[in-house]
Amino acid sequence: DTGVSQNPRHKITKRGQNVTFRCDPISEHNRLYWYRQTLGQGPEFLTYFQNEAQLEKSRLLSDRFSAERPKGSFSTLEIQRTEQGDSAMYLCASSFRDSYSPSYEQYFGPGTRLTVT
Amino acid sequence: DQQVKQNSPSLSVQEGRISILNCDYTNSMFDYFLWYKKYPAEGPTFLISISSIKDKNEDGRFTVFLNKSAKHLSLHIVPSQPGDSAVYFCAASQIYSGAGSYQLTFGKGTKLSVIP
Repeated sequence: DTGVSQNPRHKITKRGQNVTFRCDPISEHNRLYWYRQTLGQGPEFLTYFQNEAQLEKSRLLSDRFSAERPKGSFSTLEIQRTEQGDSAMYLCASSFRDSYSPSYEQYFGPGTRLTVT
Repeated sequence: DQQVKQNSPSLSVQEGRISILNCDYTNSMFDYFLWYKKYPAEGPTFLISISSIKDKNEDGRFTVFLNKSAKHLSLHIVPSQPGDSAVYFCAASQIYSGAGSYQLTFGKGTKLSVIP
């Protein structure tokens, strides 16, 4: 397996447009996370899926943001009516967790850099 | 409020010497801690982790120390190599007491430069 992949790697859009990002996690991973990172900051949690169920959302995830993981495999993050403040790196991470798993680390993709002009 | 703090934005170390990166946290509910390394244009890469039931974890050149009473952890890299030059992020999670998402709360990072 080649790890977590994200597409596109870069996206430039005009304010008010909608954008969609895709994340393909490591194939056997049942947990998927979205984070956002702005300049000079660490990644900030946005939302979390266990299989296809979205179980937690941050207050950072305004109603313009929606995420899906339709079959418990890949995930999409859509931002509607983008604003300049949405410019950031959007990171996807995945992990595997069951009753027997000893560790809790998350594996990150390379991110999608969004620039809103 | 910054629940995970990395107070040194940057650190320079001579090749072969020890690098010590520090991290403080304020949320006493955190019980699992991780260090990630990040190169430009790449996502964070997991390095090492430690549970709150331990005070030390070692993996090759990397050792993480946890002082629960001080709410402080540190990452030691010995010996430092030029390839270690990157931004290092400290992250914390609620595993045993949280809601089950195991989301990570990150510090702002420390840029390590290892000088040949």
